[in-house]
Amino acid sequence: QVQLVESGGGVVQPGTSLRLSCAASGFTLTSHNMHWVRQAPGKGLEWVAFISFDGRNKYFADSVKGRFTFSRDNSKNTLYLQMNSLRAEDTAMYYCARDYGARTDFWGQGTLVTVSS
Amino acid sequence: EIILTQSPATLSLSPGERATLSCRASQSVTRDLAWYQQKPGQAPRLLIYDASKRATGIPARFSGSGSGTDFTLTISSLEPEDFAVYYCQQRSNWPLTFGGGSKVEIK
Repeated sequence: QVQLVESGGGVVQPGTSLRLSCAASGFTLTSHNMHWVRQAPGKGLEWVAFISFDGRNKYFADSVKGRFTFSRDNSKNTLYLQMNSLRAEDTAMYYCARDYGARTDFWGQGTLVTVSS
Repeated sequence: EIILTQSPATLSLSPGERATLSCRASQSVTRDLAWYQQKPGQAPRLLIYDASKRATGIPARFSGSGSGTDFTLTISSLEPEDFAVYYCQQRSNWPLTFGGGSKVEIK
C-alpha cells in the first residue's frame, strides 16, 4: 500500500543544518509532484515546499526561501529537504505529501524538528 | 500571497447535527480549493478537492461548495469520528496557503 515515511528530525541548535528524508513505497515517485508541509506545536498547517515529478520545478514558502532546498532521488524513491540556518520558528512537525493529479491526496506521519539552544 | 480566512474558529455541536464551515479567500482561487481533516496526533486527511469533489473513501455526509472567494464545507450529520480540526487550502497560486483551521468540538 502507499506509504510515506519521514525521518531525520531531531533537536538542533539555531543556525545549524538538518536534512529530512521522505521514503516512498507502494507507488513510484517519478509519477508524482510532492510537497513538504509543516505544523508548529499547537498551530495550523503551513505549506513549505513543492517539487515537480521530474525535479525541474520547485517552489518555496517565503519563510524558508534561500535556506531550504528540496531534492529527490527517484532511484531510491526518496525525497530530501535540506534545511540550513535553522531558526526557532522552524520548530515543527514536518510532513511530506503526495500529489495525485491536482490534489494532495496522501501524507506521511511526519518527523519532528526542534530548534533550540 | 492569498490569505484564507476560516470561520468559525470553533464550532460546538452534538452528534447528528449539521456542521457548516466557511473559508474565504483574499482573492479568487476559482475552484482550486481543498479541505482536510486532522485529528490529534495524526496527519491531515484529504476530504474535498476542486471545491466540491470528494476524495476516495470519504463518506457522502461531507460536501463542499463554492467558487471564487467563498467556500463551504458541510457535514450533514456529525458522527463521533468527525470531531476534529478542518483546514482549507488553495492551490490556485504560489505559495500555496492554508486557512487557520476550524475546530469542530462536541457540545
